[in-house]
Amino acid sequence: DAMVIQNPRYQVTQFGKPVTLSCSQTLNHNVMYWYQQKSSQAPKLLFHYYDKDFNNEADTPDNFQSRRPNTSFCFLDIRSPGLGDAAMYLCATSRDSLNTEAFFGQGTRLTVV
Amino acid sequence: AQSVSQHNHHVILSEAASLELGCNYSYGGTVNLFWYVQYPGQHLQLLLKYFSGDPLVKGIKGFEAEFIKSKFSFNLRKPSVQWSDTAEYFCAVNARYGNNRLAFGKGNQVVVIP
Repeated sequence: DAMVIQNPRYQVTQFGKPVTLSCSQTLNHNVMYWYQQKSSQAPKLLFHYYDKDFNNEADTPDNFQSRRPNTSFCFLDIRSPGLGDAAMYLCATSRDSLNTEAFFGQGTRLTVV
Repeated sequence: AQSVSQHNHHVILSEAASLELGCNYSYGGTVNLFWYVQYPGQHLQLLLKYFSGDPLVKGIKGFEAEFIKSKFSFNLRKPSVQWSDTAEYFCAVNARYGNNRLAFGKGNQVVVIP
């Protein structure tokens, strides 16, 4: 049974057109993460939520925003996608913020045209 | 901040061959170490992890990894691979007293030829 679910699996958006990726979890974990993975590169953390507390990585562009309306859902908003934002976006959860493993969704592959 | 290096991005080997994937990290403090695997079309799954204790860690599907603190390494091994081990393998690290943020290596694409 899928525990971290990302929708859609594939997303095509136009250059500059806002897009939202979604993630839900059935694990009731406190922490949710968004990673960006470009081709042949390591997944890179964009931000994470510990419960309702938002934590942005210092080098995450302002173009990327996130919302977590409740424990189960977390959204990634890209306000004005550029061609360089085409990537796989991975959502993950962990029970706590210390010394616990992360569980990943299948990812959403974003294409910008 | 932590960083992770994985070499030999593409590995091709025959069934029953032994596999070893290198992972080196840089971080001055105490770390937790992970290997994740991503089978074609599937999500990242935890293969094994090291938090503390015995530095030789056994994971699922016959994989093991050894933490060598003096070498900042956490190499993954499997003595005899199967076709079903074809996947991408990622080494990751986070700070033991940090906030669970993972730093990943670039991954190893492993293809096992039947």
